[in-house]
Amino acid sequence: DTEVTQTPKHLVMGMTNKKSLKCEQHMGHRAMYWYKQKAKKPPELMFVYSYEKLSINESVPSRFSPECPNSSLLNLHLHALQPEDSALYLCASSQATRGRGRMRDNEQFFGPGTRLTVL
Amino acid sequence: KQEVTQIPAALSVPEGENLVLNCSFTDSAIYNLQWFRQDPGKGLTSLLLIQSSQREQTSGRLNASLDKSSGRSTLYIAASQPGDSATYLCAVSSTGGGNKLTFGTGTQLKVEL
Repeated sequence: DTEVTQTPKHLVMGMTNKKSLKCEQHMGHRAMYWYKQKAKKPPELMFVYSYEKLSINESVPSRFSPECPNSSLLNLHLHALQPEDSALYLCASSQATRGRGRMRDNEQFFGPGTRLTVL
Repeated sequence: KQEVTQIPAALSVPEGENLVLNCSFTDSAIYNLQWFRQDPGKGLTSLLLIQSSQREQTSGRLNASLDKSSGRSTLYIAASQPGDSATYLCAVSSTGGGNKLTFGTGTQLKVEL
């Protein structure tokens, strides 16, 4: 199974709502990522989890809260979002490494994304 | 800070033509470079991964090359088909950057009948 799944496919929410995005993979990958992609732009990294621990936070506002409950699941909790947060949210996974060596194995596999609209 | 650029931004070719997409990056200290395909409103599909120690990778009609010292990669598509129409993105994984990918700006390809 080389698939990364994301739910929901589409989400419309108001600025006072709380919602969550879900990502799942069963490839045994221990690194998982959240990216944000605006229209006509490349993806921008938000968070990286390695071995279920947050390893990179690209200065993302606290209204985005990631969670990695186990090695197969990655959630992104959303609260008090702004209209400018409307975008395609992509999840990815890859092999992870500890210490030196074998970083070259980190081919990333992406899910289909969640199209988020904030009203 | 790693910066990745792709040219051209858009390309339109007739079916059957061979074509080359270009990617350049500013910091040659990379682990690998990946080429992705993205259809409108969809996720990214990984096409090829080139390790920093490799010069090229091939998959079917696709061939990707890497010249790390000059900070360049090319994606060669042979005998293009309308189904190849999509946006192509290159991304580099830099040493010291954890598992972070830095993406290029993309090339939007249209293959016409």
